[in-house]
Amino acid sequence: EAGVVQSPRYKIIEKKQPVAFWCNPISGHNTLYWYLQNLGQGPELLIRYENEEAVDDSQLPKDRFSAERLKGVDSTLKIQPAELGDSAVYLCASSFMGGSAGDEQFFGPGTRLTVL
Amino acid sequence: AQTVTQSQPEMSVQEAETVTLSCTYDTSESDYYLFWYKQPPSRQMILVIRQEAYKQQNATENRFSVNFQKAAKSFSLKISDSQLGDAAMYFCAYRSALETSGSRLTFGEGTQLTVNP
Repeated sequence: EAGVVQSPRYKIIEKKQPVAFWCNPISGHNTLYWYLQNLGQGPELLIRYENEEAVDDSQLPKDRFSAERLKGVDSTLKIQPAELGDSAVYLCASSFMGGSAGDEQFFGPGTRLTVL
Repeated sequence: AQTVTQSQPEMSVQEAETVTLSCTYDTSESDYYLFWYKQPPSRQMILVIRQEAYKQQNATENRFSVNFQKAAKSFSLKISDSQLGDAAMYFCAYRSALETSGSRLTFGEGTQLTVNP
């Protein structure tokens, strides 16, 4: 079974530029998560999708961040414009039947963003 | 809001020895789940072990076991017979069992484990 796929793995951009990250979840997983992981810290949830609906985006900085999950499969996370403080690892995870008892979240390898 | 605290930024253990990683959490809920995740240098987070709060029995997965103390809000991970491949960052995580809270994971700051040959 293929795992969660993310691309690119690394991205270096200058501040004020736009950037996008892509995530392909495990086949059949209806719930998709985007997490932000700052260096030396644990991940923090940015947004959670159940199918194509964003059901938890309270931690997403909506002035510059946006996300979409068209057709309830792949997802894209965008930052426009990027700031120096956005340098971090962006993790995507997926699970089946999100919100249910103890369902496991499977994580992708992440995209390491460096903003210069 | 729930919080998770890992007070050991770094730990080291000799190969084949046992090490215990600490985790405490704060919540007002009675039903929840606790997890330990492992994140090797490649960054892919992997679930190590899971504990349901309503279960008194401590979870065990091969060389990994937990000591769950609900009243003390403590959830430590014991790794027995440590192997070089156990070297990684370990994260403790909390998840509410309430449907209204969804499946958001709250992570601790992590403990970097080094295994010495």
